[in-house]
Amino acid sequence: EDKVVQSPLSLVVHEGDTVTLNCSYEVTNFRSLLWYKQEKKAPTFLFMLTSSGIEKKSGRLSSILDKKELFSILNITATQTGDSAVYLCAVGNYGQNFVFGPGTRLSVLP
Amino acid sequence: NAGVTQTPKFQVLKTGQSMTLQCAQDMNHEYMSWYRQDPGMGLRLIHYSVGAGITDQGEVPNGYNVSRSTTEDFPLRLLSAAPSQTSVYFCASSQTEGEKLFFGSGTQLSVL
Repeated sequence: EDKVVQSPLSLVVHEGDTVTLNCSYEVTNFRSLLWYKQEKKAPTFLFMLTSSGIEKKSGRLSSILDKKELFSILNITATQTGDSAVYLCAVGNYGQNFVFGPGTRLSVLP
Repeated sequence: NAGVTQTPKFQVLKTGQSMTLQCAQDMNHEYMSWYRQDPGMGLRLIHYSVGAGITDQGEVPNGYNVSRSTTEDFPLRLLSAAPSQTSVYFCASSQTEGEKLFFGSGTQLSVL
């Protein structure tokens, strides 16, 4: 059975800190991995990582994919209170749908 | 620039009632799906569709029906609501299966 595990489940930091969120997975025939940020309602897309794109960066956020060790990390540098959210990881394989992890709840204190 | 539109945003039902959650997208996406989100469990797939006239079951399909008569619309029907169906429901679409998902704003459903 396909499985996605995220750690930690919850994290509290202060503004300016750097955080690393982890996503490990067990799926057959891996296709892609997605990261989303969820504040109050709908998840918003951050990154998509595939075999042909294992590193992504946008501003203070970056992500890498290790296909050999079956994990991905999401880094946020110089955190701000606006980064407070639940961060979701989802993994998809060919012919099937995305499986989501439980999410990491990040709280950034001023 | 509507994207994925879900209605209603909130709904309270009594056990045994039926209702339909509406989902529409204006991006001409082939793939559409319904998820439910419960505390600590992430998003779980209920039903999905890879094109008009084609639907299939996800991880937690029991108690729900879907249809896809047009590319734009993908309604989710609760046949006889149960308290276990209290959840937040999200509709999502993508250009094709396996591409990044665009989510609607969600429906918070309470079944009493």
